[in-house]
Amino acid sequence: DAKTTQPPSMDCAEGRAANLPCNHSTISGNEYVYWYRQIHSQGPQYIIHGLKNNETNEMASLIITEDRKSSTLILPHATLRDTAVYYCIVPKLGSNYKLTFGKGTLLTVNP
Amino acid sequence: DAGVIQSPRHEVTEMGQEVTLRCKPISGHDYLFWYRQTMMRGLELLIYFNNNVPIDDSGMPEDRFSAKMPNASFSTLKIQPSEPRDSAVYFCASSKQGAKQPQHFGDGTRLSIL
Repeated sequence: DAKTTQPPSMDCAEGRAANLPCNHSTISGNEYVYWYRQIHSQGPQYIIHGLKNNETNEMASLIITEDRKSSTLILPHATLRDTAVYYCIVPKLGSNYKLTFGKGTLLTVNP
Repeated sequence: DAGVIQSPRHEVTEMGQEVTLRCKPISGHDYLFWYRQTMMRGLELLIYFNNNVPIDDSGMPEDRFSAKMPNASFSTLKIQPSEPRDSAVYFCASSKQGAKQPQHFGDGTRLSIL
């Protein structure tokens, strides 16, 4: 998998936007960027994925830079229930089924 | 819709005993994955199946671990004999056919080997 780099932790105030960065400078042309999160004592949960265009769904938005070397996951209005470890994953082309979870970013949403 | 169902949620047993973890994937999903999560190693993929056939078991730690998928709605991960270092949370996940399909995870089995 392309190596990803994420800050180990971030804080966000409840109701504000949470912007989680991820660097993936070795990404190949057709490799996708996936985001999952893991709330304490639960299994990981899929959030969103993208290739080169910005993506949005009911959970979040994904902004991928034009050179594709970094991306930002945006939770527009963070709630306390969004406190979790967020993982940015770039599976190796042809091995999309093999997800490699790094250490991720622990996002703490404060009241 | 029912998600991925794992059982038991917690298992405590003595070393040397056989341990069997169970997973029911989401109906209609063609892929099933087994992961292990520890503080030291994080979340690791152990093995995955496509249409009940094991595709990649390169993450299985050693011969004490085995996984089966006798039908589309059931899979087991067995450890025999178990050792204290096998203590971890084991997750099962499933996904539809298609490389970009998201994986849906169960809530895991917390295994403690004494």
